[in-house]
Amino acid sequence: EDKVVQSPLSLVVHEGDTVTLNCSYEVTNFRSLLWYKQEKKAPTFLFMLTSSGIEKKSGRLSSILDKKELFSILNITATQTGDSAVYLCAGAYGQNFVFGPGTRLSVLP
Amino acid sequence: NAGVTQTPKFQVLKTGQSMTLQCAQDMNHEYMSWYRQDPGMGLRLIHYSVGAGITDQGEVPNGYNVSRSTTEDFPLRLLSAAPSQTSVYFCASRAARTFNSPLHFGNGTRLTVT
Repeated sequence: EDKVVQSPLSLVVHEGDTVTLNCSYEVTNFRSLLWYKQEKKAPTFLFMLTSSGIEKKSGRLSSILDKKELFSILNITATQTGDSAVYLCAGAYGQNFVFGPGTRLSVLP
Repeated sequence: NAGVTQTPKFQVLKTGQSMTLQCAQDMNHEYMSWYRQDPGMGLRLIHYSVGAGITDQGEVPNGYNVSRSTTEDFPLRLLSAAPSQTSVYFCASRAARTFNSPLHFGNGTRLTVT
């Protein structure tokens, strides 16, 4: 059975801290690994990773994939209160996706 | 550009009632899907479609029906609502012909079954 595991499930930090969110996967016919940010409503797309070892960056967020060890990390540097959200990791296979339970990040002022 | 539009935003049903959750996208995406999101469970795939006239079951299809008569619309029908179907439902689409395109989500429908 395909599955995606995320850790930690919940994290509380203060503004300015750096955080690392973890995602491990067991997905048959794996195509890519995606990260989403979910605030109150729809998940919004952050990154798609298809190749091992190539870091993707967007501002203070960065992510990398290790296809040998079957995991990915999402780093957020200099966190801000606006980074408070649930971060979802998903493995793509065929036309579909399997999602992890999410990491709830709370950034305190 | 509206993207993926879901209606209604909120719904309360009594056990045994039926209803349809609407989903429309204006991005000409071939692939559309329905997920439910429950605390601690993540997003679970209910049904999906890779084009008009084609639908298939996901991980948790029981109690739900779908149809895809047009590229734009993908309604989800609850045949006889049960309290276990209380959840937040998300519709999502992607450009299936584009390799590794991401999912685009609607804003969700919060359903409560009493």
